[in-house]
Amino acid sequence: DAMVIQNPRYQVTQFGKPVTLSCSQTLNHNVMYWYQQKSSQAPKLLFHYYDKDFNNEADTPDNFQSRRPNTSFCFLDIRSPGLGDAAMYLCATSRDRALKDTQYFGPGTRLTVL
Amino acid sequence: GESVGLHLPTLSVQEGDNSIINCAYSNSASDYFIWYKQESGKGPQFIIDIRSNMDKRQGQRVTVLLNKTVKHLSLQIAATQPGDSAVYFCAVSITGGGNKLTFGTGTQLKVEL
Repeated sequence: DAMVIQNPRYQVTQFGKPVTLSCSQTLNHNVMYWYQQKSSQAPKLLFHYYDKDFNNEADTPDNFQSRRPNTSFCFLDIRSPGLGDAAMYLCATSRDRALKDTQYFGPGTRLTVL
Repeated sequence: GESVGLHLPTLSVQEGDNSIINCAYSNSASDYFIWYKQESGKGPQFIIDIRSNMDKRQGQRVTVLLNKTVKHLSLQIAATQPGDSAVYFCAVSITGGGNKLTFGTGTQLKVEL
């Protein structure tokens, strides 16, 4: 089945130790999104890629970076995780940025910062 | 910008009853609306969407109603089942905003047996 896959499902890191979260998709969608979702809150968009075009949200901290080496994969890098970065990180995809279209979400990676 | 709110943080219903979850949005330029269901520890799952040129759309056991005059969106679930227990988010996209979504704060639906 076509889907959005996130690895790992659970990630534990130490304060200040860089961490990378992975997302892959078999939907062949042009757009990939990264969201941060803290406990009992709504998902908050960090950035998105339209093909190779990177679009950062204005309030996304510099500590968060992303890479998209090809259509199928997208990575979220947190350069120096702080305690406040503990959250669920959700990857989503959609066919095209211009289309009003459903975003399909992966299962998420829950990040714990010690 | 866009702010999206839900009227109730928690909704409890009896199994078999109908559920109605409400959402208000602020930007009259909003033109695409989605309801997502999120179970504990999982990613949001698409339920149903509606575009601004419609006021009602039906799926399997679910109906979305859109009132653009008062900027209000609702999700109706018929014959609510225990498997419907989850947090429900509305998400809104505005004209010219591409496919960027702004999510509401979520309503926890609890189904009582």
